[in-house]
Amino acid sequence: SAVISQKPSRDICQRGTSLTIQCQVDSQVTMMFWYRQQPGQSLTLIATANQGSEATYESGFVIDKFPISRPNLTFSTLTVSNMSPEDSSIYLCSVRVEGGSPLHFGNGTRLTVT
Amino acid sequence: QKEVEQNSGPLSVPEGAIASLNCTYSDRGSQSFFWYRQYSGKSPELIMFIYSNGDKEDGRFTAQLNKASQYVSLLIRDSQPSDSATYLCAVNFDRGSTLGRLYFGRGTQLTVWP
Repeated sequence: SAVISQKPSRDICQRGTSLTIQCQVDSQVTMMFWYRQQPGQSLTLIATANQGSEATYESGFVIDKFPISRPNLTFSTLTVSNMSPEDSSIYLCSVRVEGGSPLHFGNGTRLTVT
Repeated sequence: QKEVEQNSGPLSVPEGAIASLNCTYSDRGSQSFFWYRQYSGKSPELIMFIYSNGDKEDGRFTAQLNKASQYVSLLIRDSQPSDSATYLCAVNFDRGSTLGRLYFGRGTQLTVWP
C-alpha cells in the first residue's frame, strides 16, 4: 500500500484565518479524497481531489470554504478558509492506488480553531 | 441517499469471546464494503473488504455480506484486549469502481476486557 504523509500533523489557528494541509504520497495513485472527522464522530467525505481539474465536492461542502488542489498524481492540498471554531476537526487525506482497491488514510491533521 | 448505519455501542465482550459488529446501508446496488479499525487518536486502518455475498475470512476476522438484506457484518473470533477500538463500516455507493468514494457509518466502539 502507499505511504501517505500529511502536514501539518496538528495546528492551532485563530478564527478568520486559513490553513493549508498538504498530502504527499510515495507513489502515483488514481484517486485522492479529503475527509473530516469531528470530535466523537465518524468520517465525512469533503471532496474528491481530481488531478488537473476542479475537485468534486460533497453536499454541504463548497469550494470557497475548502479549496482543493491536485497538481499531479502524488500530491494534494486542502485549505480550510476563514476558519471558525466549528472547523475544529481532524482532516484526513486518503488515497486509492487503483480503481477498486481499498482506501488508505494518512495520519491526519488535528486542527483547533480558537 | 447515502446512509450507512451502525450501532454505536459500546459493545463489551470478554477476552476470547466472539464480537459481532453489524452495519446496514441504504443502496441495494452498492458493490463494495469495507471494515476499518480506528484506535483512539489514530487514523482508520483497513481490516477487510468484501464484494460478494457470503462470508470472507481473514485470520480471526470474518466479514459477512447479504446484499438482499443490505447488511454487512464483522465477526472477531477469540477477541483480544488489543482489539478494543472503534470499528467503522464503509460502503462504496458508486456503481463503477473508477469513482470509489467511501461513505462511513458512525462506528461501533468495542471493548474487550481481560
